[in-house]
Parts: sequence; structure tokens; C-alpha cells
Amino acid sequence: AQSVSQHNHHVILSEAASLELGCNYSYGGTVNLFWYVQYPGQHLQLLLKYFSGDPLVKGIKGFEAEFIKSKFSFNLRKPSVQWSDTAEYFCAVNGPYNTDKLIFGTGTRLQVFP
Amino acid sequence: EAGVTQSPTHLIKTRGQQVTLRCSPISGHTSVYWYQQALGLGLQFLLWYDEGEERNRGNFPPRFSGRQFPNYSSELNVNALELEDSALYLCASTPGTMNTEAFFGQGTRLTVV
Repeated sequence: AQSVSQHNHHVILSEAASLELGCNYSYGGTVNLFWYVQYPGQHLQLLLKYFSGDPLVKGIKGFEAEFIKSKFSFNLRKPSVQWSDTAEYFCAVNGPYNTDKLIFGTGTRLQVFP
Repeated sequence: EAGVTQSPTHLIKTRGQQVTLRCSPISGHTSVYWYQQALGLGLQFLLWYDEGEERNRGNFPPRFSGRQFPNYSSELNVNALELEDSALYLCASTPGTMNTEAFFGQGTRLTVV
């Protein structure tokens, strides 16, 4: 069965620290990969996505993610976090077919302190 | 342009009752997805409707059901509520399939007591 693993459940950082959130998936074929963010009190919104091409994807607010096919990973990175990055981050994956559903990881709660 | 809207925002139900949650997708979007976000479990896929038809279903019992109307809005029905149904229920819409950005609503917080 398809699954997504986010190993960091809760991450606490100081402002300006670098961030890397892990995401591994199991899927037996071509994948589409997503990172969504849920700021406190707000709805889920897309940070970035990978469908094909350059495995290094840049998203909004300075976030980027790298697709490493051999490792089944799609880790999220940001060189210098801000207090406003405090949120919950979800990795998600689906296949290329129209019938494929979007599978989410359990999420990583990020707290950034000034 | 209005985003995905869900109603109600919060509700409290008693075990054994039935509940109906509603979702209005973004104008022009034909697909509606329902997810359950329970504490510590991430988003669990519930149901996917497109053009009025159920396209896919997650690993939930039959007491979770729904439908999509001709205007593409959708309802999620949960019968015989159990305590573990307490969660945030999220609706998302896309223009057609999930191979594009999904837009989420704010969710309905259901508490079963």
C-alpha cells in the first residue's frame, strides 16, 4: 500500500536556523510529490510540488525540496527560518493516474522561536 | 474569488447520532475530496467525488458516505457516530484530478461525546 513517512513529528528551532524536514514514501511507480503547510488557524496550502524535471523544486517563502528517487525521499529545506514559519508541514504523494488519491504523511509541527 | 467553504465550522454530537458536513468547491472545480485529520494521524483520505460520481474511497467503514451535487458541492455523512470519529474533516477541490494543486477549506471540527 502507498504510504508517506515523516520522521520528524515536532521540530523546534530558533530564528535563522536551517531547516530540513524528512519525507519518505512508498509507491511502486512514477510519483507526484507535494508539501503542504498549515499555519495556525489557517487552511492547508501548497508550498511546492514536483511532477517531473529538475528534482530540486523551489516553492513559496524560500522553501525548496529535493526529490531523490533512489531514496524515495522528498525532503523540505529552508536555509534560514523565521518565526512566521511556525506551522504544521505535510508531505503528500500520489501517482500519475487520474484515479490516484493524494496520500499524506502524519505531519511535522515546526515551532520557531525569536 | 471565494475559496473552498465548509460548514459548519464546529459541531458537537453524541455517540450514535448522525452528522452531515457540507463543502462548496472553488468555482469551476469539479472534483471534491474529503479527508479526516485526527490528532497524530495526519490526513486520512475518505472520499473523492468528480462530476457527481464517487471515484475513490479510503479505508473507512460504510457508515461514512457522501454525495456530490450537480453544482459540484458535496456532503459527507457519518452515521452511528463513534468517539473516535472526533476529528477535523477537511474538504479539498481541484479542477479535475489530484494531479494538480488541491485547495483546502478550513475544515469542520467534529467532537463526538
